Amino acid sequence: EAAVTQSPRSKVAVTGGKVTLSCHQTNNHDYMYWYRQDTGHGLRLIHYSYVADSTEKGDIPDGYKASRPSQENFSLILELASLSQTAVYFCASRKTGGAFAETLYFGSGTRLTVL
Amino acid sequence: QQQVRQSPQSLTVWEGETAILNCSYEDSTFNYFPWYQQFPGEGPALLISIRSVSDKKEDGRFTIFFNKREKKLSLHITDSQPGDSATYFCAASEGTNSAGNKLTFGIGTRVLVRP
Repeated sequence: EAAVTQSPRSKVAVTGGKVTLSCHQTNNHDYMYWYRQDTGHGLRLIHYSYVADSTEKGDIPDGYKASRPSQENFSLILELASLSQTAVYFCASRKTGGAFAETLYFGSGTRLTVL
Repeated sequence: QQQVRQSPQSLTVWEGETAILNCSYEDSTFNYFPWYQQFPGEGPALLISIRSVSDKKEDGRFTIFFNKREKKLSLHITDSQPGDSATYFCAASEGTNSAGNKLTFGIGTRVLVRP
């Protein structure tokens, strides 16, 4: 029944390699977000999108790209992974308008370790 | 510079006690304040929220107290249960006034309820 599904659940990458994290939602929501979670920093917004084929920068976009090929799918791309990008990454969706329009619905996260 | 601050970083209470989690913010344009609850290995989920026009919001054992003048709010968990053991994030946004309705999260408070 999970409405926001992230893959993979965990990944080990090498420094300098390319990493793609995927997110799929069945909520029929317009907005999708990528956050990273680090101890001592909470959740920080990387990129977000409110429509397919369009993405916006969040608060910490450096070193990350995002892609929204369809309403349901939102990817986070690390072209050259670095040690500092070791973290847990969360995808979330949000609907536009109506009741609970400000509620984020999160996936279960992807734990990324860069060695 | 954190716009949303939380304290304490961790908190241990006995079953049946009241846990008090504190949050403060800097941006006076923030008008929507949700609290998200996160269990280990899961994504955060909305617990309860309040808007700046209110000074109190209750939902069962969870109550938010909001002081707009001091830019402070707190989450009270009464009759704490072991199942409440989780990390709690305070967040803030400008609501639907902001592009993307971006949420700014605090670093979280880890709560442990001992039976």
